[in-house]
Amino acid sequence: GESVGLHLPTLSVQEGDNSIINCAYSNSASDYFIWYKQESGKGPQFIIDIRSNMDKRQGQRVTVLLNKTVKHLSLQIAATQPGDSAVYFCAENIMDTGRRALTFGSGTRLQVQP
Amino acid sequence: DGGITQSPKYLFRKEGQNVTLSCEQNLNHDAMYWYRQDPGQGLRLIYYSQIVNDFQKGDIAEGYSVSREKKESFPLTVTSAQKNPTAFYLCASKTNEKLFFGSGTQLSVL
Repeated sequence: GESVGLHLPTLSVQEGDNSIINCAYSNSASDYFIWYKQESGKGPQFIIDIRSNMDKRQGQRVTVLLNKTVKHLSLQIAATQPGDSAVYFCAENIMDTGRRALTFGSGTRLQVQP
Repeated sequence: DGGITQSPKYLFRKEGQNVTLSCEQNLNHDAMYWYRQDPGQGLRLIYYSQIVNDFQKGDIAEGYSVSREKKESFPLTVTSAQKNPTAFYLCASKTNEKLFFGSGTQLSVL
């Protein structure tokens, strides 16, 4: 079946370093991608999204890169802070088809070491 | 404050008991969703509703039921038919492809 998945289940980085969280997707028809951050015991929070007509999108301290050739998505966090420690999910969808909901990957846990 | 409110935060179910999880939103969103999250795993879709008085099954609807009588409310009932109900339940509403989530309800079996 078609799915969204992540390469690394746990990523440990030092405070101040840059973090890169990766995601592979297999549905070549997907044209919308989104990253969520989930802290323990809380609901996921929107971080950043990107449509398939773009390769890169930047937010505050975060950048999402999309490589449609290899169906790969990444989230880059600059100057990682302890508050960035959480589980990060990528999700995908096909827009304008009435498809019902986002499909989520299994998540990557980011641990920031002080 | 605008947002999605889930209650209760923690819920315990006895064997054979039905329990209902509340989800209310004041964002004026048409579409609402229920997801289940098991420890260390991603989100799986239970039910969704794209408009009032209409809802569809998601990937793991067995043992659950929903209603959508009002735009603001999308309660989820976990029935006794759901044999493994212990999980973190997340409600969301959607606008412009983005999902906005509530803070979740942790359901456990006594």
